[in-house]
Amino acid sequence: DVKVTQSSRYLVKRTGEKVFLECVQDMDHENMFWYRQDPGLGLRLIYFSYDVKMKEKGDIPEGYSVSREKKERFSLILESASTNQTSMYLCASSLTGGGQETQYFGPGTRLLVL
Amino acid sequence: RKEVEQDPGPFNVPEGATVAFNCTYSNSASQSFFWYRQDCRKEPKLLMSVYSSGNEDGRFTAQLNRASQYISLLIRDSKLSDSATYLCVVNTNAGKSTFGDGTTLTVKP
Repeated sequence: DVKVTQSSRYLVKRTGEKVFLECVQDMDHENMFWYRQDPGLGLRLIYFSYDVKMKEKGDIPEGYSVSREKKERFSLILESASTNQTSMYLCASSLTGGGQETQYFGPGTRLLVL
Repeated sequence: RKEVEQDPGPFNVPEGATVAFNCTYSNSASQSFFWYRQDCRKEPKLLMSVYSSGNEDGRFTAQLNRASQYISLLIRDSKLSDSATYLCVVNTNAGKSTFGDGTTLTVKP
């Protein structure tokens, strides 16, 4: 069974703080993704990675950065948190297979920025 | 216009009803298609892939119409446990997924 874990379920931070969200998958998947989910806006892709040390911008990368030093771990970094980054953050992973890949999601981190 | 658009919902149906959701996509190069289910305050989970020939899994039937660029999900004999948000997902060949905003289904006794 694929397992994707995220470091925190709930997080409260203050404006301007640096925030690290970590995601770990245990199925040797090449691809990893970070999304945010907001009411009325659905899931939006922030960044994704096809391999170690590789990263690609998604649809809304502004204000975020990522790190993938090991295959199983993909970190999302908010350099200086702002209130508009209050959201549900979801990490996912998948195999590489020409577009047929199923994405497996972690339980999500609810981030509140005050 | 969004790349993936779903019926706005919400759908409120009685137990035993048949309900259908549609989803349209704008990228004609899209390669693969999925329906995910998301329960309240939980992560999305794959419900089923959608194949060109159509496919069925128990009470669930998914269909794809490439010419018109839409996919559908039909749920027969609705159960209370089917209450959830259903997300339409479209992948390009590069493996990037675009999610619809979701359609909320509530099945009532």
